[in-house]
Amino acid sequence: EIVLTQSPGTLSLSPGERATLSCRASQRVTSRYLAWYQQKVGQAPRLLIHGATSRATGISDRFSGSGSGTDFTLTISRLEPEDFAVYYCQQYQYGSSPPYTFGQGTKLEIK
Amino acid sequence: QVQLVQSGAEVKKPGASVKVSCKASGYTFTTYAIHWVRQAPGQRLEWMGWISAGNGNTKYSQKFQGRVTFTRDTSASTAYLHLSSLRSEDTAVYFCAVGVDCSGSSCYALPEYFQLWGQGTLLAVSS
Repeated sequence: EIVLTQSPGTLSLSPGERATLSCRASQRVTSRYLAWYQQKVGQAPRLLIHGATSRATGISDRFSGSGSGTDFTLTISRLEPEDFAVYYCQQYQYGSSPPYTFGQGTKLEIK
Repeated sequence: QVQLVQSGAEVKKPGASVKVSCKASGYTFTTYAIHWVRQAPGQRLEWMGWISAGNGNTKYSQKFQGRVTFTRDTSASTAYLHLSSLRSEDTAVYFCAVGVDCSGSSCYALPEYFQLWGQGTLLAVSS
């Protein structure tokens, strides 16, 4: 199983600041199979980034992804009030058991 | 409108079973697999498996093998999750999700990701 570890657990920032969230994998992940999701309380997750760097349909260009191998980053420039939520990374690897795994999440809270 | 609509919250006793439904609309149901993902309180999202809406083939996470069954009714564009021998640790929100991105009248597959989600079904298991 590929374990994804996200850091920090909680990130306290103010609107207008820049957020940098990290996701580290226990073994190499194919970049095109790494995604980021945003989840707000009581809602389903929303796909933000896939293929490590590609924004999903309708996602603001304030969200960007980078990284390769075992280290990936989600960056949110100029935080808006609606950006404060929990963020998860997710990977897919064919033949792995299970093939899909998620990180434990980073909570982005208003400072 | 492309959406997945799930059945309502359930309360079950340990040892019982539950069936959760997920009705799809706005896209060709049989083209894409439906995944089930659960989220226990304070825990990370956990993939349970998928069912091919076209031919009914299934793949289950080893963790749930033997206790979970996925089915689908193509005439109703609905997928079902059946979970048996419930225990308190099964208390969670259960989501169905599909790796499809629809814009306007066209859709394309994103099989490695979960673009379209149901609203979630809360299952509480308690004696």
